[in-house]
Amino acid sequence: DVVLTQTPPTLSATIGQSVSISCRSSQSLLHSNGNTYLHWLLQRPGQSPQLLIYSVSNLESGVPNRFSGSGSGTDFTLTIDPVEADDTATYFCQQSWNENTFGAGTKLELK
Amino acid sequence: EVQLQESGPGLVKPSQSLSLTCSVTGYSITSNYWGWIRKFPGNKMEWMGYISYSGSTSYNPSLKSRISITRDTSKNQFFLQLNSVTTEDTATYYCASLGARYYFDYWGQGVMVTVSS
Repeated sequence: DVVLTQTPPTLSATIGQSVSISCRSSQSLLHSNGNTYLHWLLQRPGQSPQLLIYSVSNLESGVPNRFSGSGSGTDFTLTIDPVEADDTATYFCQQSWNENTFGAGTKLELK
Repeated sequence: EVQLQESGPGLVKPSQSLSLTCSVTGYSITSNYWGWIRKFPGNKMEWMGYISYSGSTSYNPSLKSRISITRDTSKNQFFLQLNSVTTEDTATYYCASLGARYYFDYWGQGVMVTVSS
């Protein structure tokens, strides 16, 4: 199984601040076809999850460019800059390189 | 726009089967891949399995002996059956579509299922 380790588990930020969430994989997520199968989702309270970023750094349609993704191999980062009030949510990384697994989530709260 | 909606009982007794339906509008299930994911109390998310445009399936090995995903193309629906449930299967169940690199791009609203006698 591919294990995704997300840190930190919780994050407290002020509006306008820049924050980053880390996702480390137990195996490289770089496929032989050149694609990297690491994605990011968010889930706001009371809502279903929604896709933010796919394949490391590609923003899903409609996602503001305050969100960005980076990384390669086994280490990945989601950055929100600047944080806005609507960003209160739990953020998950997900890998689809081998079946599908999710990170444990990072809960972003506003101060 | 693709829309998905889960339906099914919110309460299932231990040892019985959990059966859920995902109704899809805006896209044919004979294209693309369609999956089930569940989220446990405490936030852990687990991929359960998916069914392809051709009807082939792939399941999480941890569930393989208990899970079945099927479809009805005439109704544009796909289904989840999970057998021999226990209280550990209590979760919110989501159906979703899968994008080209197997990310989950469209999600249903989710249905909370409690396993309890």
